[in-house]
Amino acid sequence: EAGVAQSPRYKIIEKRQSVAFWCNPISGHATLYWYQQILGQGPKLLIQFQNNGVVDDSQLPKDRFSAERLKGVDSTLKIQPAKLEDSAVYLCASNLAGGIFQEQFFGPGTRLTVL
Amino acid sequence: AQSVTQLDSQVPVFEEAPVELRCNYSSSVSVYLFWYVQYPNQGLQLLLKYLSGSTLVESINGFEAEFNKSQTSFHLRKPSVHISDTAEYFCAVSVQAGTALIFGKGTTLSVSS
Repeated sequence: EAGVAQSPRYKIIEKRQSVAFWCNPISGHATLYWYQQILGQGPKLLIQFQNNGVVDDSQLPKDRFSAERLKGVDSTLKIQPAKLEDSAVYLCASNLAGGIFQEQFFGPGTRLTVL
Repeated sequence: AQSVTQLDSQVPVFEEAPVELRCNYSSSVSVYLFWYVQYPNQGLQLLLKYLSGSTLVESINGFEAEFNKSQTSFHLRKPSVHISDTAEYFCAVSVQAGTALIFGKGTTLSVSS
């Protein structure tokens, strides 16, 4: 079974530029999460999708961050314009929907450096 | 709101020594508890989880964790570590199935010979 795929793995941009990250979850996984992991901290949820609908985006900085999951499969996270404090690893995770807790599977992450 | 505190940012140990990585949580409701491991240059992997039932849970590679409700703790232990256990370990909580995880800041376990 293929895991969660993310691209690119690394990205370096100047502040005020825009950037986009892509995630392809495990086939059949209805729930998709984007987490931000700043150096020295644990991952923090940015947004959660159930199929193509948003479940939780309360911690997404909506003035500069946006995300979509148009067909309920892969997802794109965008930052525009980027700030220095956006330097972090962006993790995508997915799991099956259901009542009993299903394990979240994480992708390798995209490491963003904003100069 | 829920929070997770990992009391040690770095834990250096020698090979074959025992280790305990500490995790405390704060929540006004029942929680599910998890330990994730991140090996160098790899993604997060689930190590073990407590959902309900027995408070002692074990992983396939010798780690165990015990849920202590009165002390709001979920410490991770291994009686004898290997060099290959060197990694970042994250404790996490979730308050219901299908919701996002809330992570601690992580503990770096460094095992040397």
